Amino acid sequence: EADIYQTPRYLVIGTGKKITLECSQTMGHDKMYWYQQDPGMELHLIHYSYGVNSTEKGDLSSESTVSRIRTEHFPLTLESARPSHTSQYLCASSWTSGYNEQFFGPGTRLTVL
Amino acid sequence: AQKVTQAQTEISVVEKEDVTLDCVYETRDTTYYLFWYKQPPSGELVFLIRRNSFDEQNEISGRYSWNFQKSTSSFNFTITASQVVDSAVYFCALSGTFQGGSEKLVFGKGTKLTVNP
Repeated sequence: EADIYQTPRYLVIGTGKKITLECSQTMGHDKMYWYQQDPGMELHLIHYSYGVNSTEKGDLSSESTVSRIRTEHFPLTLESARPSHTSQYLCASSWTSGYNEQFFGPGTRLTVL
Repeated sequence: AQKVTQAQTEISVVEKEDVTLDCVYETRDTTYYLFWYKQPPSGELVFLIRRNSFDEQNEISGRYSWNFQKSTSSFNFTITASQVVDSAVYFCALSGTFQGGSEKLVFGKGTKLTVNP
């Protein structure tokens, strides 16, 4: 069973606030990912990392930023939250070799008022 | 470019009915992988199966079965004798690459399955 954690699970915040969504995994996976999921269910990759100090932008442009200082930790930060950032954010991780399945965290549901 | 199409946006069945979720993919890669994930109302995506492009053998796991046909570029998922707990959004995904060659998963838009008692 995968061990990947996200906090908080739910966050309601006002416009202009800075927020950080936490994601940690205990499986030693090199690869980590952030997805944004809109109400229509579609998943959009917004950031990924192949290891410490490696971060790349995904398919969907996002105003958020990420960092990967430790293998197990991949936080996502929004410097100034806006209502358009309201969404479900899912973190995932996987092994490096081959096309291995990604294991997902429970998600953070963000609402910006 | 890689693409996954799940034409069924929503499906509603009555408990104990069999239901098939369709997945059609496009890729120019000769080696690729296909996946199915389940997303229950709690929100977490749960991995169900991975299949590589060289293995067209169908797979059965309990009430779940998968039919992979390269000739039609399809990887369909059947739930036999559906139960209320099967209610979820199901995603089909295909291994792909970014322009720079880095690996990624390409997801379909998902099929929402509702199983009514």
